[in-house]
Amino acid sequence: QVQLQESGPGLVKPSETLSLTCTVSGGSISSYYWSWIRQPPGKGLEWIGYIYYSGSTNYNPSLKSRVTISVDTSKNQFSLKLSSVTAADTAVYYCARHSRIAAALGNWFDPWGQGTLVTVSS
Amino acid sequence: DIVMTQTPLSLSVTPGQPASISCKSSQSLLHSDGKTYLYWYLQKPGQPPQLLIYEVSNRFSGVPDRFSGSGSGTDFTLKISRVEAEDVGVYYCMQSIQLPYTFGQGTKLEIK
Repeated sequence: QVQLQESGPGLVKPSETLSLTCTVSGGSISSYYWSWIRQPPGKGLEWIGYIYYSGSTNYNPSLKSRVTISVDTSKNQFSLKLSSVTAADTAVYYCARHSRIAAALGNWFDPWGQGTLVTVSS
Repeated sequence: DIVMTQTPLSLSVTPGQPASISCKSSQSLLHSDGKTYLYWYLQKPGQPPQLLIYEVSNRFSGVPDRFSGSGSGTDFTLKISRVEAEDVGVYYCMQSIQLPYTFGQGTKLEIK
């Protein structure tokens, strides 16, 4: 079955750029939408944005000015960059697949990666 | 953005007793295709959220039948008929009818 694994630095300095990669195994990245979702420690879930395997994207307006999501179909990976980070960006970052092929809306997220904690601190 | 409001924010339930969580959305989640895009997740400690219910009332694969979902439009409910120890965690509702996807604040279920 499809599995997702997040990777990247666990510590990022304030004002720098957070970079994470999600590697998809057990299936192709093609035909699906893929999202990043984050969860500050002890708090709720926030959708960051998605990318289609073709490269089209959509971002949460609350983060849009700082977010870039990209895809590398040859590596079966997609990536997140979040610029100008502050302590408020400290969170567990999850990657997840949308449930329906070629559908941006009307989806649930499954599967999810295990998540990776990124701490913003000097 | 569609605001998802859950109540209560915490529950303490004796094993074998029922539990109920409410989720209200600021806009209708009924799509023109006839489906209602409301979902329920459970996040167990140290794990990513796992889907319990999709489109209001459909149990996801492997989800015990003690979990049930109901509702329409803007008002939804997740019910656990008989709580078990393995049900502890935080329950979230989520909408996917409109971007950005949004989640409720979460309801923490504890066992008495």
